[in-house]
Amino acid sequence: KAGVTQTPRYLIKTRGQQVTLSCSPISGHRSVSWYQQTPGQGLQFLFEYFSETQRNKGNFPGRFSGRQFSNSRSEMNVSTLELGDSALYLCASSKTSGRIGELFFGEGSRLTVL
Amino acid sequence: DQQVKQNSPSLSVQEGRISILNCDYTNSMFDYFLWYKKYPAEGPTFLISISSIKDKNEDGRFTVFLNKSAKHLSLHIVPSQPGDSAVYFCAASVGGSNYKLTFGKGTLLTVNP
Repeated sequence: KAGVTQTPRYLIKTRGQQVTLSCSPISGHRSVSWYQQTPGQGLQFLFEYFSETQRNKGNFPGRFSGRQFSNSRSEMNVSTLELGDSALYLCASSKTSGRIGELFFGEGSRLTVL
Repeated sequence: DQQVKQNSPSLSVQEGRISILNCDYTNSMFDYFLWYKKYPAEGPTFLISISSIKDKNEDGRFTVFLNKSAKHLSLHIVPSQPGDSAVYFCAASVGGSNYKLTFGKGTLLTVNP
């Protein structure tokens, strides 16, 4: 059973640019969540999508957005990049959007903003 | 405001001994707690969880203890093995239809042979 796949694994951007990250969940999983990991803040919740609908959102500015497609694949976009956006962006999928269940994480997309 | 706190950034133990990783939380609405393990260049993987209606959950070498009155949970690994060396994240969630985990900053566990 294939795991959660994130692309690209590594990317470098400059301030002011935008970036789109992609996540393919485990087959059959309908919930996709995004997290940002930085050394200073640890893992922080960005947003969660279930059946193409954003169900929950963390405390991030509007520059961070996402969407989910009918096949459950998800993308997140960061516009007007800032140096502080340099981080590991992790995608996680689960079968349901319910409270019981574990998240299965991908390996992450490491974004460096210069 | 850090609602889930792991106050020890790192912990070093000898192989075969017990590893105890601690986690404190401030939000009394949290009712489900999880531990994740993360190796470098990999995503976190689920380790063990506990519901707030329990005070202990055991899975092989891993046991999680929950003290609701103290808003404290701990992960015990017995016996510790070198392969357990990783960053351990404590996470918590509030019941409901949405899945949103609040993570601690992690504790780096090093198990020395």
